Amino acid sequence: EPEVTQTPSHQVTQMGQEVILRCVPISNHLYFYWYRQILGQKVEFLVSFYNNEISEKSEIFDDQFSVERPDGSNFTLKIRSTKLEDSAMYFCASTAGVAEAFFGQGTRLTVV
Amino acid sequence: SQKIEQNSEALNIQEGKTATLTCNYTNYSPAYLQWYRQDPGRGPVFLLLIRENEKEKRKERLKVTFDTTLKQSLFHITASQPADSATYLCATNNAGNMLTFGGGTRLMVKP
Repeated sequence: EPEVTQTPSHQVTQMGQEVILRCVPISNHLYFYWYRQILGQKVEFLVSFYNNEISEKSEIFDDQFSVERPDGSNFTLKIRSTKLEDSAMYFCASTAGVAEAFFGQGTRLTVV
Repeated sequence: SQKIEQNSEALNIQEGKTATLTCNYTNYSPAYLQWYRQDPGRGPVFLLLIRENEKEKRKERLKVTFDTTLKQSLFHITASQPADSATYLCATNNAGNMLTFGGGTRLMVKP
């Protein structure tokens, strides 16, 4: 069964450093997303990406965040200058349309 | 903005019984309502989707209902098994594809 893959599974970084989280969405999907889940809290939408541009973003997705699809398969989330409160699980997801979302297993980001 | 509410208390049931989980939304009626399963430290896994013009959807031991008058969805697992123990998330979306999630309800099925 096709799946969304994310790397790394766990990233530890120092406050103020830049991190890049990587995702390979399902190959024939058109819509790509990043969500995050702070420990013990809800899964929260960050950004959606369609046709090589951002289609929606939440208030969380401020100027320190950016997304990119550098080639035909990868989808990345960059956090420019990490803060302690960025510590969370980050999930990539993809959909074929307005339908069920397929999530990756997540990257646990720990900012120290 | 849409707010999704799920019972934050864990639901404990005996194996073989039917588990019923509740999802309430507070604002506009969503075009789609979805249920996901999440295991600790893992990503959500899609289970069922129901549209606003559908009353009920079934898949194997799972059943979802959608009542736009009550602004509520019920999620049922019949003949529950210990392997069904997980957190179940309710989520909605409209014209945009972004999902708004509830906080989830943890289900514990005891043998």
